[in-house]
Amino acid sequence: KNEVEQSPQNLTAQEGEFITINCSYSVGISALHWLQQHPGGGIVSLFMLSSGKKKHGRLIATINIQEKHSSLHITASHPRDSAVYICAVRSGKLIFGTGTRLQVFP
Amino acid sequence: ETGVTQTPRHLVMGMTNKKSLKCEQHLGHNAMYWYKQSAKKPLELMFVYSLEERVENNSVPSRFSPECPNSSHLFLHLHTLQPEDSALYLCASSPRQGFGEKLFFGSGTQLSVL
Repeated sequence: KNEVEQSPQNLTAQEGEFITINCSYSVGISALHWLQQHPGGGIVSLFMLSSGKKKHGRLIATINIQEKHSSLHITASHPRDSAVYICAVRSGKLIFGTGTRLQVFP
Repeated sequence: ETGVTQTPRHLVMGMTNKKSLKCEQHLGHNAMYWYKQSAKKPLELMFVYSLEERVENNSVPSRFSPECPNSSHLFLHLHTLQPEDSALYLCASSPRQGFGEKLFFGSGTQLSVL
């Protein structure tokens, strides 16, 4: 069993929908990262957080350290949000989840 | 554009070939990384360099040989690879090597070993 689990594995949505991607982990961490990987392969770091909540545009990331859980929310989703979203936790080293593939249709 | 450039974008090689992957960053970062991403598996850290010194080698087979001639360039030399080595190889950099550092990734090299 992977130390970082993401759900769902795949997600489809209509443009404009509110989207939530979940990440649960089983190890002690110093930070959690949310990454976005587009079909071309390149990965962009969206958030790095160790407590509370961060917001950037239509993206919101939250973390609950006690429950070992983080969520990534996308408000007013758009087809250009289609990508794989990867959760990674810093526990000495970085441990990655397998990603959530999101497709947003017009 | 993250500031980390990888070449080539795609590579097909036979098991007896020797090839090299190149990564370049001009962000002034001191740490560089090689990751492997296989289908439906989490990213796997292969090597970490900090100030041109290898600081981490995660049990990677010797057919993968990294080289960091300076803090802006990182290479991954490949020889006698196996078909199971087919994957996306991602380079990343960060200001320093250590906890809490944000990673900047390149677009990757999609490698196919025939």
